Amino acid sequence: DAGVTQSPTHLIKTRGQHVTLRCSPISGHKSVSWYQQVLGQGPQFIFQYYEKEERGRGNFPDRFSARQFPNYSSELNVNALLLGDSALYLCASRHSRGHPNTGELFFGEGSRLTVL
Amino acid sequence: AQSVTQPDIHITVSEGASLELRCNYSYGATPYLFWYVQSPGQGLQLLLKYFSGDTLVQGIKGFEAEFKRSQSSFNLRKPSVHWSDAAEYFCAVGGTISNFGNEKLTFGTGTRLTIIP
Repeated sequence: DAGVTQSPTHLIKTRGQHVTLRCSPISGHKSVSWYQQVLGQGPQFIFQYYEKEERGRGNFPDRFSARQFPNYSSELNVNALLLGDSALYLCASRHSRGHPNTGELFFGEGSRLTVL
Repeated sequence: AQSVTQPDIHITVSEGASLELRCNYSYGATPYLFWYVQSPGQGLQLLLKYFSGDTLVQGIKGFEAEFKRSQSSFNLRKPSVHWSDAAEYFCAVGGTISNFGNEKLTFGTGTRLTIIP
């Protein structure tokens, strides 16, 4: 079975630009979360979506937004990029509520964003 | 607020030696606890998790961890490390999965493990 897939794997942007990152969850997973991992740090929670609705939001500015589509894939958008947005952006999915392994997050390999 | 502390930024052990990585957490209720491993340039792979029950949990690749509520700890152990275990290890705490909107994981800053021959 395919794992969580993310695209693009690497990208370079300049300050002020906008970026869209994409994530396809594992088949059957309806919950998707986004995390930002700055070099040398642990991942920080950005958003969680379940059944196309936002269910959780971390401490990130409004420049960060996301959505989930009917097929449960998801996009993370970041506007007005800053140098500090340079990071590995990780997408994770999990089984639906009620599944015995609901609590387990499966991570993709991430999209590495460099802002110049 | 939930938090995770991994006091060791970098640990070096010899191949074949035992390993213990420390993790302390702060959480207001019964936590869900996880250990993830990350190889350079890669995503996170789950090693093991604790939800409830037996406080000693077994994971993949020969790892185990013990939940000690009195010490708010969830230390990761392996009796004999292999060169392929060199990676970054992250401890994480999460809330109850029955309360949507509270599914986020809070990660520690990680411990980098180096294996020497």
